[in-house]
Amino acid sequence: AAGVIQSPRHLIKEKRETATLKCYPIPRHDTVYWYQQGPGQDPQFLISFYEKMQSDKGSIPDRFSAQQFSDYHSELNMSSLELGDSALYFCASRPLAGPPYEQYFGPGTRLTVT
Amino acid sequence: KNEVEQSPQNLTAQEGEFITINCSYSVGISALHWLQQHPGGGIVSLFMLSSGKKKHGRLIATINIQEKHSSLHITASHPRDSAVYICAVCDTQGGSEKLVFGKGMKLTVNP
Repeated sequence: AAGVIQSPRHLIKEKRETATLKCYPIPRHDTVYWYQQGPGQDPQFLISFYEKMQSDKGSIPDRFSAQQFSDYHSELNMSSLELGDSALYFCASRPLAGPPYEQYFGPGTRLTVT
Repeated sequence: KNEVEQSPQNLTAQEGEFITINCSYSVGISALHWLQQHPGGGIVSLFMLSSGKKKHGRLIATINIQEKHSSLHITASHPRDSAVYICAVCDTQGGSEKLVFGKGMKLTVNP
């Protein structure tokens, strides 16, 4: 069965650089959620999209932006990277008309900022 | 008080032991996830449940909505079960759809 795909799986950037993370949901999933998990931390919700519109927003820094495209994939853009942005970023997708809890997780992108 | 609390925070077991990981939550939820994360790895969903009990291989998950409590059981534990196990709930209050995560329980199974 198809799963959520994230790319890249690993990314190393320097401070003040920008990064773009991509999430490809399972086919026929129209909702995407982004989460951030810092080292030794529990995951935190960043932002979600439903039908290409932002549906909910969590603790996402102003330096970050995200969008969902017509094919339902989503991109998380991170600018002016800081050391504290080093984390595992994973996304989840939800099927069309599925309940909110039915989220399927991607493997994550591990971002290291040096 | 955290919305999702897991116990214990760390657990070391011997191969073959029966293991129980607990999760209590304080918010009204529609469902609960049990997730597994190996060191340096991504998140793997083990179970998504809103009532009763689910079983997959050596893993069993139960939830009691009235008591706001869930347990994950591992039978005949194996060193490859060593990982962090995270409980996450879908908080339905205020119309939000986001998941709220527990801090995870680090399990080490020794051979």
